[in-house]
Amino acid sequence: NAGVTQTPKFRILKIGQSMTLQCTQDMNHNYMYWYRQDPGMGLKLIYYSVGAGITDKGEVPNGYNVSRSTTEDFPLRLELAAPSQTSVYFCATRGGTYEQYFGPGTRLTVT
Amino acid sequence: QKEVEQNSGPLSVPEGAIASLNCTYSDRGSQSFFWYRQYSGKSPELIMFIYSNGDKEDGRFTAQLNKASQYVSLLIRDSQPSDSATYLCAVNRDDYKLSFGAGTTVTVRA
Repeated sequence: NAGVTQTPKFRILKIGQSMTLQCTQDMNHNYMYWYRQDPGMGLKLIYYSVGAGITDKGEVPNGYNVSRSTTEDFPLRLELAAPSQTSVYFCATRGGTYEQYFGPGTRLTVT
Repeated sequence: QKEVEQNSGPLSVPEGAIASLNCTYSDRGSQSFFWYRQYSGKSPELIMFIYSNGDKEDGRFTAQLNKASQYVSLLIRDSQPSDSATYLCAVNRDDYKLSFGAGTTVTVRA
């Protein structure tokens, strides 16, 4: 039982490149979330999903896209990467109550 | 006003002492409150949750909630060097989402 897994762990992108951050969970949770965390800051919600086929924007969705075709997977797509997207990205899941469980994170640098 | 505010820290305590972390929130409708611990370079880990006014104890950790004052706190008793981390307060924003504070960094001095 791996919980929440994220790939890659680290990535360096050039400005204007695109990439997909992968998130997979084996807890059969309906709710999944993508956050970014900048140094010294709290977690900012990018997108979330309440089930397969349903996604919605969070606080900071600009420059990102998501899809949720299965319960297990919730990939985050960055199009036309910008230096402002340099951050640590966390995927999280939630079961029947409010507490969320986080993956190990992806550290992204855009130069 | 931020939705969730925490002491900016850093908070330095000697080993064996009590570390006290505070969090205030703006939405009176919030019902669920969480404390996460985050070690440097790692992901947040849930350590406590509290839904009712009063105290909730789990080992060396005690969460305290006062909904009238919109205040939630975390006490760490008998602090250990392994407790050195950033502690994030989170509050439910609605049925789906949490709001997180910026975190308080705790350093336990041996």
